[in-house]
Amino acid sequence: RKEVEQDPGPFNVPEGATVAFNCTYSNSASQSFFWYRQDCRKEPKLLMSVYSSGNEDGRFTAQLNRASQYISLLIRDSKLSDSATYLCVVTLRTFGTGTKLQVIP
Amino acid sequence: DAGVIQSPRHEVTEMGQEVTLRCKPISGHNSLFWYRQTMMRGLELLIYFNNNVPIDDSGMPEDRFSAKMPNASFSTLKIQPSEPRDSAVYFCASSFFSFVLNTEAFFGQGTRLTVV
Repeated sequence: RKEVEQDPGPFNVPEGATVAFNCTYSNSASQSFFWYRQDCRKEPKLLMSVYSSGNEDGRFTAQLNRASQYISLLIRDSKLSDSATYLCVVTLRTFGTGTKLQVIP
Repeated sequence: DAGVIQSPRHEVTEMGQEVTLRCKPISGHNSLFWYRQTMMRGLELLIYFNNNVPIDDSGMPEDRFSAKMPNASFSTLKIQPSEPRDSAVYFCASSFFSFVLNTEAFFGQGTRLTVV
């Protein structure tokens, strides 16, 4: 089993749609979790950290489920500019392979 | 702050040559990471330093790879000899590690290495 698993997508969604990504991790002792965004041929950039109680930043909501060992990212009211690859990250040591999102006009 | 600075941005070299990648972390950060990204394997951690000391180098693929951090503001990743399968984008990232804060890593723009 991979340490971090993500659905690679691509997810093709219309503008304004709500889309959710999930990510599972294998190390139950992991303490820190993040979602990064990577545009084509660019470096990854932090989208948001994921806290145990869940957290929201504008249209983005992240959740952590320690019992089931997964984290999720919800994007509401998708914009064209949200098109990118979203990377699930555990403890900064293990990255998921990324989920590609394409928002369509 | 200028962010994490990597050089060179692009490197094309012949198989068997030595390659040195350089990184300047964000001032004040105490942790530095070297990653490699390929289409096949995604983003992989090669080595991680904390306070200039290598903490985890289990991701370094083989003895041809070595990394140093002589001071808090500079690190190198060296490949000697280089092979075509080393072709990838190499990212350096830095963060401030604290047991209290859930700190994130900031990435440099990467070095795109091509070994022919």
